[in-house]
Amino acid sequence: QVQLQESGPGLVKPSETLSLTCTVSGGSISSYYWSWIRQPPGKGLEWIGYIYYSGSTNYNPSLKSRVTISVDTSKNQFSLKLSSVTAADTAVYYCASLLLPRGGLGYWGQGTLVTVSS
Amino acid sequence: DIQMTQSPSTLSASVGDRVTITCRASQSISSWLAWYQQKPGKAPKLLIYKASSLESGVPSRFSGSGSGTEFTLTISSLQPDDFATYYCQQYNSYSLTFGGGTKVEIK
Repeated sequence: QVQLQESGPGLVKPSETLSLTCTVSGGSISSYYWSWIRQPPGKGLEWIGYIYYSGSTNYNPSLKSRVTISVDTSKNQFSLKLSSVTAADTAVYYCASLLLPRGGLGYWGQGTLVTVSS
Repeated sequence: DIQMTQSPSTLSASVGDRVTITCRASQSISSWLAWYQQKPGKAPKLLIYKASSLESGVPSRFSGSGSGTEFTLTISSLQPDDFATYYCQQYNSYSLTFGGGTKVEIK
């Protein structure tokens, strides 16, 4: 059973860069596409982007200028960097596996709350 | 960008009711649609993929249908464990988009 675990700071200052890592266990990171999704408190889900183990990426156009997703196959990890954060980036951030070509986000981490505040 | 519109945003129902949630895409997405269930404080759970395929382990009272731009999630007989928020999500293009969610409440 594939398991995902997000890690990173829970508090980030405005204008700084949010950095999170997702560690994959119980399976190879070469098996799926890997995605980041976020959910502001009390609101809906927003897709941030995904990466394949080869390093190819695709990002939400609304966040593309600020997002970088990378993968470290040796550690079975992938990471998210979101630059120039504001209070609007406060959210629970989830990592998940995108089960292409079949479709759907099948495995999810538990989520981590990141608050942007000075 | 493909926009996904869910309706209703809130639904009040009783145990045993048949419940239907609708999701509309701003352009055709073939059958590239998934449905998720989310409970408070928890990550979403995949219920349906490719519009009508039931994810392993999901009860058969959940079903999905539709293609093109209009899709439905049906719960044939609502159970106490089903009170939650449901989201649709398209993956037709290289971008993914979620619907705004439907909260299923106890009537």
